Amino acid sequence: GAGVSQSPSNKVTEKGKDVELRCDPISGHTALYWYRQRLGQGLEFLIYFQGNSAPDKSGLPSDRFSAERTGESVSTLTIQRTQQEDSAVYLCASSLAAGTGVGAFFGQGTRLTVV
Amino acid sequence: GNSVTQMEGPVTLSEEAFLTINCTYTATGYPSLFWYVQYPGEGLQLLLKATKADDKGSNKGFEATYRKETTSFHLEKGSVQVSDSAVYFCALTEDDKIIFGKGTRLHILP
Repeated sequence: GAGVSQSPSNKVTEKGKDVELRCDPISGHTALYWYRQRLGQGLEFLIYFQGNSAPDKSGLPSDRFSAERTGESVSTLTIQRTQQEDSAVYLCASSLAAGTGVGAFFGQGTRLTVV
Repeated sequence: GNSVTQMEGPVTLSEEAFLTINCTYTATGYPSLFWYVQYPGEGLQLLLKATKADDKGSNKGFEATYRKETTSFHLEKGSVQVSDSAVYFCALTEDDKIIFGKGTRLHILP
């Protein structure tokens, strides 16, 4: 597609359930980023991929969070045993390569609500 | 570690006023610097960028100059419009991560 696509756009889940969020980056972009944006807050870095490898997972809040990327394309962010504090908008971005000055392109985000 | 600090909002201005949103950074090495904008109900968009000292990024009437001596990248616009109402994020890229400031909400009154 022309831009970064995220699905679902909205997700309501019960506390304790697992959720999977998907990101389709711009074709040819080798770098892919996940961020979390709580209501009224800034962007919290979670993880990034260069190709299919994740050199920096330091932003993942707990071991309930994991992410993978395959085929240097689609990425999924999985949250196990969701908690109410996981409620936020999860943003995905991609760029031609990590660490370059070209900037990243963002998807519209997945709004996760844990009830 | 690297970090970005930007002025707290919200900032409220009248249409045609001059805008400055301050941004300073802490980084080792020579990061690239960015301003992103998030319009109501939309995703983040890259507004402008600068990749080395003294570079000026510009777009849609907005400007920001990479000042290494003051580690700053302040966003300016000479005459704001109601359509500029949005949240603005300063960011830097170094060591493959993009680090964002907390964002500044701008509200322009007609």
